[in-house]
Amino acid sequence: EAGVTQFPSHSVIEKGQTVTLRCDPISGHDNLYWYRRVMGKEIKFLLHFVKESKQDESGMPNNRFLAERTGGTYSTLKVQPAELEDSGVYFCASSGSAGQGSYGYTFGSGTRLTVV
Amino acid sequence: AQSVTQLGSHVSVSEGALVLLRCNYSSSVPPYLFWYVQYPNQGLQLLLKYTSAATLVKGINGFEAEFKKSETSFHLTKPSAHMSDAAEYFCAVSERGYQKVTFGIGTKLQVIP
Repeated sequence: EAGVTQFPSHSVIEKGQTVTLRCDPISGHDNLYWYRRVMGKEIKFLLHFVKESKQDESGMPNNRFLAERTGGTYSTLKVQPAELEDSGVYFCASSGSAGQGSYGYTFGSGTRLTVV
Repeated sequence: AQSVTQLGSHVSVSEGALVLLRCNYSSSVPPYLFWYVQYPNQGLQLLLKYTSAATLVKGINGFEAEFKKSETSFHLTKPSAHMSDAAEYFCAVSERGYQKVTFGIGTKLQVIP
């Protein structure tokens, strides 16, 4: 089966611009997660979708970040306008209906975002 | 609240030597515990997980970890390091019934020929 796909793999944008990251989870996985790793820091939770609904968005840094999951399939994470501190690697992960508790996540390769 | 502490952001071992990566956790309830590995230019891959069955958990690529409740530890070991083990390793914890995972800062493992 295809894994979790993220694109772009790299993005360099100027401060104030808008960037949209996309994640395609494993087919049939209801749970989709976004995480972020700022350089030198821990990987931090951003939010969790169950199908098309936001289950937990407690990790979203501020209202410049908007996540959507169309029809419970792929998800997008938009940053508008981007700031320097938004630079980092954004990971997407998915898990089946049992959630990550029993099986763990399947991660994508991440999108490296650099804001200059 | 839960947290993970990984001791040593960089660990170097000789090829063939024991690998020991340390992880201590804090959780108010019995946790699920995980080790993930990230090879260069790849996503995180699940190495092994503890979900309340046997306290000694075996994972892929010859790694194992032991859950020690009294020490709140979940250290990762491998008897003999291989060059292909060079990667970054993340310990993670979640509370049962919750989807959110808290990661440690990661430990980069260098294997010296």
